[in-house]
Amino acid sequence: EAGVTQSPTHLIKTRGQQATLRCSPISGHTSVYWYQQALGLGLQFLLWYDEGEERNRGNFPPRFSGRQFPNYSSELNVNALELEDSALYLCASSLEGPWVNLAFFGQGTRLTVV
Amino acid sequence: QQQVKQSPQSLIVQKGGISIINCAYENTAFDYFPWYQQFPGKGPALLIAIRPDVSEKKEGRFTISFNKSAKQFSLHIMDSQPGDSATYFCAASRGDSNYQLIWGAGTKLIIKP
Repeated sequence: EAGVTQSPTHLIKTRGQQATLRCSPISGHTSVYWYQQALGLGLQFLLWYDEGEERNRGNFPPRFSGRQFPNYSSELNVNALELEDSALYLCASSLEGPWVNLAFFGQGTRLTVV
Repeated sequence: QQQVKQSPQSLIVQKGGISIINCAYENTAFDYFPWYQQFPGKGPALLIAIRPDVSEKKEGRFTISFNKSAKQFSLHIMDSQPGDSATYFCAASRGDSNYQLIWGAGTKLIIKP
């Protein structure tokens, strides 16, 4: 069974541009979580989607947004990129939320803003 | 306070030795304390977790020790093996907002053969 898959693996963008990151959850999982892992820091919760709806978001500005599609895959959009947005973005999925202890993580998308 | 402070930042242990990673928290409302293991190029994977009603939990070579009064918990890896080389994260959360784990900064563990 395929795990959580994220694309692209690496993404390089210029400051001010927009980045779109994608996540495909494990088959049957309806909850998707997004986290930011900046260098030297632990993961910070960004967004939680469940059954197509945004259920909660972390302490990030509105230029971080996303959505969950009917097939439960998800997209994270970061607008007006800033240098400090450079980080590893991790997606996780679980059968139901909000129990991330039952979630599996993808390998992440490394976003570099130059 | 929402922080979880993890130490050390990096750790080198000889094969067969005991690896110890420590975490401290301040929010007494936290009631779920997991440890995650992350290999390079992979996402974190849940290793072991504890709730504050017990002081110790053991799974194979991995043990969590929990000190509620000191608001500290630690991961012990017995008989450390080169395959244990990874980054370890502690985290904490309130049970009803489990997805909003507060993560430590991570410890890069290297086991020398």
